[in-house]
Amino acid sequence: DAGVTQSPTHLIKTRGQQVTLRCSPKSGHDTVSWYQQALGQGPQFIFQYYEEEERQRGNFPDRFSGHQFPNYSSELNVNALLLGDSALYLCASSPGPGQGGRTGYNEQFFGPGTRLTVL
Amino acid sequence: GQNIDQPTEMTATEGAIVQINCTYQTSGFNGLFWYQQHAGEAPTFLSYNVLDGLEEKGRFSSFLSRSKGYSYLLLKELQMKDSASYLCAADGTGFQKLVFGTGTRLLVSP
Repeated sequence: DAGVTQSPTHLIKTRGQQVTLRCSPKSGHDTVSWYQQALGQGPQFIFQYYEEEERQRGNFPDRFSGHQFPNYSSELNVNALLLGDSALYLCASSPGPGQGGRTGYNEQFFGPGTRLTVL
Repeated sequence: GQNIDQPTEMTATEGAIVQINCTYQTSGFNGLFWYQQHAGEAPTFLSYNVLDGLEEKGRFSSFLSRSKGYSYLLLKELQMKDSASYLCAADGTGFQKLVFGTGTRLLVSP
């Protein structure tokens, strides 16, 4: 059973460019969350997708947008890249409402991340 | 506002016991998670608490006091491979919108 996968592993961009990161959730999961983790910090919640809609959003500007496809995979797009966008971008999948685990909570499984460097 | 506080760094020796504390303030509360993260890798789930008390899972235990906004992760019989960052995260919405602390970097020495 494949876990959460993300692509690419590493990416180097320059300021002002746009980037798209991809995530495939763990089999059976329909909810995808995206986090940004700067060096030495904890992950920060960007947004979450469920049923192809953005369900929740953190304190990130509109330059950060996303999409979820019918097969539950997801993309994170960042426009007009800034130096401060350099970080590890983590995707996490979890079962949605109605798919709740036997433990009563929905554990998030994280992917390996995409390391984005903006020069 | 929402705030998660945990120590930046801790050191311990192999075979010892270490307790990593976490205090949280969130507008809502639907559980407290602990994750382990090795350098350059993704966080991996360790534990979840939503009710007060201690949850034990092998060498790792986690405690929660909702009234005090406090949790700790207890690691017993430390091994070198336990050197990692330990992230405390609160779910304030019930939909896995996790608010993470900055993480506690644990260094286990021989």
